[in-house]
Amino acid sequence: GAGVSQSPSNKVTEKGKDVELRCDPISGHTALYWYRQSLGQGLEFLIYFQGNSAPDKSGLPSDRFSAERTGGSVSTLTIQRTQQEDSAVYLCASSLYHGIGYEQYFGPGTRLTVT
Amino acid sequence: SQQGEEDPQALSIQEGENATMNCSYKTSINNLQWYRQNSGRGLVHLILIRSNEREKHSGRLRVTLDTSKKSSSLLITASRAADTASYFCATEDTGFQKLVFGTGTRLLVSP
Repeated sequence: GAGVSQSPSNKVTEKGKDVELRCDPISGHTALYWYRQSLGQGLEFLIYFQGNSAPDKSGLPSDRFSAERTGGSVSTLTIQRTQQEDSAVYLCASSLYHGIGYEQYFGPGTRLTVT
Repeated sequence: SQQGEEDPQALSIQEGENATMNCSYKTSINNLQWYRQNSGRGLVHLILIRSNEREKHSGRLRVTLDTSKKSSSLLITASRAADTASYFCATEDTGFQKLVFGTGTRLLVSP
């Protein structure tokens, strides 16, 4: 079956512009996660959604970052007034449930470059 | 920072040799997972070891966990050029139930 897909694969934007990144999780997966990975670094947790519960936004670095998940499926990560330090690869992952021991399946990521 | 640390940061070996990567973490965990990443893109889950397990095998992979030392190791035996990638450990924290990723080890296997 299809894996996690993300679009666009690459995005170049000017400083100050808003961007939207999209994630399509695996069908039937109730948990969805967003991470950020700066060049040569590990993954930084941003936010997760579990079913209809309120999302855990504890990892969002500033109020310029927001995310939503419509209909329990597709998710959009929005970055407003982008800054150069926002340049990174943004990775989305989904898992069957959010709980102990559930494997996360990652998408290919969106490489964001802010000029 | 909750982030784990991996050692070494980079490892270069010849095909056929074994590769060992270590991961240290800071908190109590439910489990520890290892992921592989090619070319800075999506991660692929390799293996999960629970906090009450000490060793686990999967094909050419061997993972150990020492909760008293808060450390884990990943051994890849008989490495191949196709094993070239970055390897990350990720801990599922008992307090937060989220994956906390380490900084990764870049493995280069030369033919």
